[in-house]
Amino acid sequence: KAGVTQTPRYLIKTRGQQVTLSCSPISGHRSVSWYQQTPGQGLQFLFEYFSETQRNKGNFPGRFSGRQFSNSRSEMNVSTLELGDSALYLCASRQDVNTEAFFGQGTRLTVV
Amino acid sequence: KNEVEQSPQNLTAQEGEFITINCSYSVGISALHWLQQHPGGGIVSLFMLSSGKKKHGRLIATINIQEKHSSLHITASHPRDSAVYICAAGNTGNQFYFGTGTSLTVIP
Repeated sequence: KAGVTQTPRYLIKTRGQQVTLSCSPISGHRSVSWYQQTPGQGLQFLFEYFSETQRNKGNFPGRFSGRQFSNSRSEMNVSTLELGDSALYLCASRQDVNTEAFFGQGTRLTVV
Repeated sequence: KNEVEQSPQNLTAQEGEFITINCSYSVGISALHWLQQHPGGGIVSLFMLSSGKKKHGRLIATINIQEKHSSLHITASHPRDSAVYICAAGNTGNQFYFGTGTSLTVIP
């Protein structure tokens, strides 16, 4: 059974650009959630999608957005990148609430 | 105030020692998760607990719902256990609140 796949693994972008990250969940999992990890703030919840609907959103500016497709794959978009957006972005897939979460390897974004 | 507090932040142990990492949370949870993160970033889910105790190999996780406290124990620690261990409280809204992590180094 394939795990959670995040692409790309590494990305370098310039301040002001926009970026799209992708997460393919485990087959059969309908919940995909996204997290930002920085040395200063640790892991923080961005948002969660279930069956193409955003169910929860963390405390991040509107520059951070996401969507989920009918095959449960999810994308996360960050517009007008800032230096402080440099982080490891992780996604996790679950069948639903109260089920085990499986994390991807993450996308390491560097904004220069 | 953080919803999830972990201690200690850093831990160095000799190979073979018994290790305990503690986690206290203040939010209502549907489950408490213990995660392991190795250098390079990948996170592995070790346990998901809503009550009692779970054991997997040398790892044991316990939770006391009334006291809002969980512990992760590692018996007979090994250098390959060196990693960051993160406690995460999952609420009914499928949102995680994360602890700041415990960086464990096991010395041969």
